Amino acid sequence: DGGITQSPKYLFRKEGQNVTLSCEQNLNHDAMYWYRQDPGQGLRLIYYSQIVNDFQKGDIAEGYSVSREKKESFPLTVTSAQKNPTAFYLCASSIRTSGRKDTQYFGPGTRLTVL
Amino acid sequence: AQKITQTQPGMFVQEKEAVTLDCTYDTSDQSYGLFWYKQPSSGEMIFLIYQGSYDEQNATEGRYSLNFQKARKSANLVISASQLGDSAMYFCAMRETGRRALTFGSGTRLQVQP
Repeated sequence: DGGITQSPKYLFRKEGQNVTLSCEQNLNHDAMYWYRQDPGQGLRLIYYSQIVNDFQKGDIAEGYSVSREKKESFPLTVTSAQKNPTAFYLCASSIRTSGRKDTQYFGPGTRLTVL
Repeated sequence: AQKITQTQPGMFVQEKEAVTLDCTYDTSDQSYGLFWYKQPSSGEMIFLIYQGSYDEQNATEGRYSLNFQKARKSANLVISASQLGDSAMYFCAMRETGRRALTFGSGTRLQVQP
């Protein structure tokens, strides 16, 4: 089945540790995105990538890093520099189509808690 | 200024009735897209419906329709014949020219009552 997978579903981190969240898609989409969601709020963009080996910072990139070595994979590292990393992280992907739709489809998310 | 505004933090609706969730947006672009997503308690974001700024007709997808009023910059989601499974958070989002990422509103929590 085609879709987007994220792992792990739940992640616990001690202060000062870096952790990496996995995102994989088999939809053959060219673009991938990482969003952060805090309780009671909408999604905010962390990073996005339109092609392999290229990515751009979003609105809240500080304390995060990404890589895009393969079309299918877009891992997100939450570094110790991120002051308040406890949140729900959602990965999405999309394919550029004729017209303006370019709908994003989301994975199931990873809930990160800092202990 | 907020790009996407959803003024209803929570809404209640009786099963089988229709409900309208409000969304207003702010952009100076002429070409843009508007999206609605549903987020059940599991957390996954589910795409519901899309409206392009140049689309002449309001979008419809099954029980979902979009009341698009371009001059008022509003894109309200209408859910007809509500079902218990419609209980969730609903987010309005916009994609502007030259930006593939979405800007989201703060969401509306809909509760369908039997």
